[in-house]
Amino acid sequence: GAVVSQHPSWVICKSGTSVKIECRSLDFQATTMFWYRQFPKQSLMLMATSNEGSKATYEQGVEKDKFLINHASLTLSTLTVTSAHPEDSSFYICSARTGQGAYYGYTFGSGTRLTVV
Amino acid sequence: RKEVEQDPGPFNVPEGATVAFNCTYSNSASQSFFWYRQDCRKEPKLLMSVYSSGNEDGRFTAQLNRASQYISLLIRDSKLSDSATYLCVVNIVMNTGFQKLVFGTGTRLLVSP
Repeated sequence: GAVVSQHPSWVICKSGTSVKIECRSLDFQATTMFWYRQFPKQSLMLMATSNEGSKATYEQGVEKDKFLINHASLTLSTLTVTSAHPEDSSFYICSARTGQGAYYGYTFGSGTRLTVV
Repeated sequence: RKEVEQDPGPFNVPEGATVAFNCTYSNSASQSFFWYRQDCRKEPKLLMSVYSSGNEDGRFTAQLNRASQYISLLIRDSKLSDSATYLCVVNIVMNTGFQKLVFGTGTRLLVSP
């Protein structure tokens, strides 16, 4: 089945630094990938939709200058958390839509646990 | 009102029990419905899609009532390995044609020996 690989699995960084998270579709092409954030005991919240070759679409309240998304190829999307602060500590998960027409699903990466100290 | 609402639980049940989870959604533009399972500190994994006619996969049965905007998941003969958080997920199609998944906060299930 479709596999989405996400790296790193966890990262600890100092406040003010930037962190890049990669999301790769291993055995299929993903024109669209989704980035989510999940705080403890809360639901996954969509941050942005990443479209290959074009600008990402951000959800209301998500700062596009802080969460930079690049989707330069059909198999790779990256999320860069710039100037990270402790409140950015969260579980970040990417997802890609797989299948076509009426038969589709969403495959998730294994997530990245970010801790900003 | 949240777009997708679930009882957070936890539901504590003994092995072998039957347990049911409910979910309601508010957006009538919702087109597709799913139940995902999420283990602690892991990514969500698709458990099953939910169809209007209802569908069953082994011990799991999902049902959808579009008129009431209500989704359910029934787990029969619970196993210890069923302990997890069950996420109700709705795929919404916007006027622009853009689609996005909206997640409930999840219902936590704890199955005990």
